[in-house]
Amino acid sequence: GNSVTQMEGPVTLSEEAFLTINCTYTATGYPSLFWYVQYPGEGLQLLLKATKADDKGSNKGFEATYRKETTSFHLEKGSVQVSDSAVYFCALSGSGGSNYKLTFGKGTLLTVNP
Amino acid sequence: NAGVTQTPKFRVLKTGQSMTLLCAQDMNHEYMYWYRQDPGMGLRLIHYSVGEGTTAKGEVPDGYNVSRLKKQNFLLGLESAAPSQTSVYFCASTPFLGRQYFGPGTRLTVT
Repeated sequence: GNSVTQMEGPVTLSEEAFLTINCTYTATGYPSLFWYVQYPGEGLQLLLKATKADDKGSNKGFEATYRKETTSFHLEKGSVQVSDSAVYFCALSGSGGSNYKLTFGKGTLLTVNP
Repeated sequence: NAGVTQTPKFRVLKTGQSMTLLCAQDMNHEYMYWYRQDPGMGLRLIHYSVGEGTTAKGEVPDGYNVSRLKKQNFLLGLESAAPSQTSVYFCASTPFLGRQYFGPGTRLTVT
């Protein structure tokens, strides 16, 4: 079945540092890939997505590129802010008849200090 | 649009009590989901629905029941609560193709 593995946290950075959160996946066919963010006390929000190989999703300074050859979708940001402190989830949706179900990684807690 | 709403936001139950969590969406989405979130476990799918009147089991369905009598509502029931069901519960909906819209969550404690 499908699975998502993302780097374990917590990750603690200083403001303006570079961020990478690794995510790799196992899936059949051609899944779509997502990064969701969960701010304290809130539900998950879609941060960015990519639907096919070599696509780059981007939003709010975050980027991730769909790499089929390495089955990866790593999240990056060049300069983090305190307001980026949150839990980040990598996820994939299956292809074909199961494309309405998401498989999530376990989440990575990011704390950014001023 | 209110998006996805969940009722209640917090609840404390004693072991053996029952309760129903309500999820409502006003986006006319076909698919709806119930997840639970536990520390170190990410989100795990409990039950889901692909349309009004349909439900299906997810990854961790035991101890829960669901109903989707109306397209906009998805109810999650606990018939006899257990401490292992202490968790944060999230509802989500999607029109199609993966992206899901999440509610704010219900924090449930079973003592």
